[in-house]
Amino acid sequence: EADIYQTPRYLVIGTGKKITLECSQTMGHDKMYWYQQDPGMELHLIHYSYGVNSTEKGDLSSESTVSRIRTEHFPLTLESARPSHTSQYLCASSGGGTGGRKLFFGSGTQLSVL
Amino acid sequence: GESVGLHLPTLSVQEGDNSIINCAYSNSASDYFIWYKQESGKGPQFIIDIRSNMDKRQGQRVTVLLNKTVKHLSLQIAATQPGDSAVYFCAENRRDDKIIFGKGTRLHILP
Repeated sequence: EADIYQTPRYLVIGTGKKITLECSQTMGHDKMYWYQQDPGMELHLIHYSYGVNSTEKGDLSSESTVSRIRTEHFPLTLESARPSHTSQYLCASSGGGTGGRKLFFGSGTQLSVL
Repeated sequence: GESVGLHLPTLSVQEGDNSIINCAYSNSASDYFIWYKQESGKGPQFIIDIRSNMDKRQGQRVTVLLNKTVKHLSLQIAATQPGDSAVYFCAENRRDDKIIFGKGTRLHILP
């Protein structure tokens, strides 16, 4: 079983609020990812990190930002939430080498912006 | 941009029969192709992967086939069980180490 945790599980918030979605893993993985997923749709990569102090944008443009100050922690922040940000956000991590293809996912944060 | 996509959104299979889930890809530069399973309310779970220089790889009850000529990937599940009900995604591991997912196929198991 994967040791990667996301909080909160559900978040309902008003427009304009600043939010931070938390993601932590205890596997010592260098690579971490954030995906955005709408119901019944594919996962879109919005951020990824190869290690501490390394962050890059994914293929889907996102107004969110991320930081990687510690190996185990990869939080995602929205400075001003909007209804268009309503979605599920999934965090994942993977080890190096041949294990890099095997992503371990958290249970996700379902964000609803009113 | 380049992407990975699936042919069918929903597949219904009788319990005990074999399931075949298909995927088309457009990025020939990927090193690996991967299948994930996502159950309701959970994050995707790794099933099996195949290196781009291979044609076939078998796991426990699953087989992945890769046809590079027509850029087609398939996942075969033997003796489908109720626990196989989920959405299945193919994904590609690009050379920059990004893992990009395609559209999912929902697998329904009929009793």
